Amino acid sequence: AQSVTQPDIHITVSEGASLELRCNYSYGATPYLFWYVQSPGQGLQLLLKYFSGDTLVQGIKGFEAEFKRSQSSFNLRKPSVHWSDAAEYFCAVGFQKLVFGTGTRLLVSP
Amino acid sequence: GAGVSQSPRYKVAKRGQDVALRCDPISGHVSLFWYQQALGQGPEFLTYFQNEAQLDKSGLPSDRFFAERPEGSVSTLKIQRTQQEDSAVYLCASSADRGLIGTEAFFGQGTRLTVV
Repeated sequence: AQSVTQPDIHITVSEGASLELRCNYSYGATPYLFWYVQSPGQGLQLLLKYFSGDTLVQGIKGFEAEFKRSQSSFNLRKPSVHWSDAAEYFCAVGFQKLVFGTGTRLLVSP
Repeated sequence: GAGVSQSPRYKVAKRGQDVALRCDPISGHVSLFWYQQALGQGPEFLTYFQNEAQLDKSGLPSDRFFAERPEGSVSTLKIQRTQQEDSAVYLCASSADRGLIGTEAFFGQGTRLTVV
């Protein structure tokens, strides 16, 4: 069965510190991989996506993610977090319909 | 419009009532998706249209749920005889191509349905 695991429900990071959000997936083949961000009352916004090629993917807002086939992981990183990054982050996989993880809520402390 | 538009933004329905949720995708987008997001959960796939054809409805939780896109643009998700477990945010997304390669799915802000 296709599934996405985001093991961290909440993460608190100090402003200016680095961030890594974990994502593991189970899929029949290497799917397309996505990270979305959802702010309160807002729709999902695509941060970045991986289809093929270079396993380190750059996205918007200074985010990047690395695909590791051997670990079935697609972790999201940011070197320096800003207070405006506080939101819910979803990892998703799929070719047409997406399978989402349960999300990680990022809190940013001053 | 510039993005995916959903209406209403909020809907309160009495248990047993029928509801209709509307999605206006980005103009010209071929693919349209409906997702259900329960509180504290990630979105879950409901159904997928390519133009007016409903190619995948495997995620619809029961026969009370029905979706259509008769002219290949606006879509309506209808829920009959609503139940409390239907309370969720219903998200619509559209993309320019048949799949997601080389493109992305743009999401609307969703309709929050509360069944009382």
